Amino acid sequence: ILNVEQSPQSLHVQEGDSTNFTCSFPSSNFYALHWYRWETAKSPEALFVMTLNGDEKKKGRISATLNTKEGYSYLYIKGSQPEDSATYLCASLDQTGANNLFFGTGTRLTVIP
Amino acid sequence: KAGVTQTPRYLIKTRGQQVTLSCSPISGHRSVSWYQQTPGQGLQFLFEYFSETQRNKGNFPGRFSGRQFSNSRSEMNVSTLELGDSALYLCASSLISSTYEQYFGPGTRLTVT
Repeated sequence: ILNVEQSPQSLHVQEGDSTNFTCSFPSSNFYALHWYRWETAKSPEALFVMTLNGDEKKKGRISATLNTKEGYSYLYIKGSQPEDSATYLCASLDQTGANNLFFGTGTRLTVIP
Repeated sequence: KAGVTQTPRYLIKTRGQQVTLSCSPISGHRSVSWYQQTPGQGLQFLFEYFSETQRNKGNFPGRFSGRQFSNSRSEMNVSTLELGDSALYLCASSLISSTYEQYFGPGTRLTVT
């Protein structure tokens, strides 16, 4: 069992603010890090899958970075919009080759118009 | 392309009963995983099926079981239901790749009374 931690648990920001949150995971035997967005009453949706140390991925106003040596990833949202309100989940996959994702408990983001 | 579907969406059962949940993956996806989410917990991995075989199993009691059919559809069964089994059960399918990006269904909300 991998211990994946996310912080903060929840976050309220004003529309237009930029924000970021953290995912920590065990660096030993690391293979991949996933980020998902989970909007209320919808299914979790993949944002990024990252494998390489120093990797940066971007999708519109959302970007993520990965540090596999120290075991953390940051998710950034630039110019938050109300539609960004969701729970953001990260999940770590280790090198056992198994499809066994270990999820953090998520960061719940609320963007206030 | 149709997404992952799960039936039923909501279910109320009493303690001691058993329940079967169904998941139809995205066409072409042969890996199906099941997750449980309870309040305050992250998504907990239950098991993964590929080509009708259980490849991986999470840390859940034997009351939780599953199977996969030749068309990749999967079922999850919980026997002798307990109050603590009340949760959202999510199914996810993925292509067979090294990083296992998950495509989630809408979930089945199970309430045990």
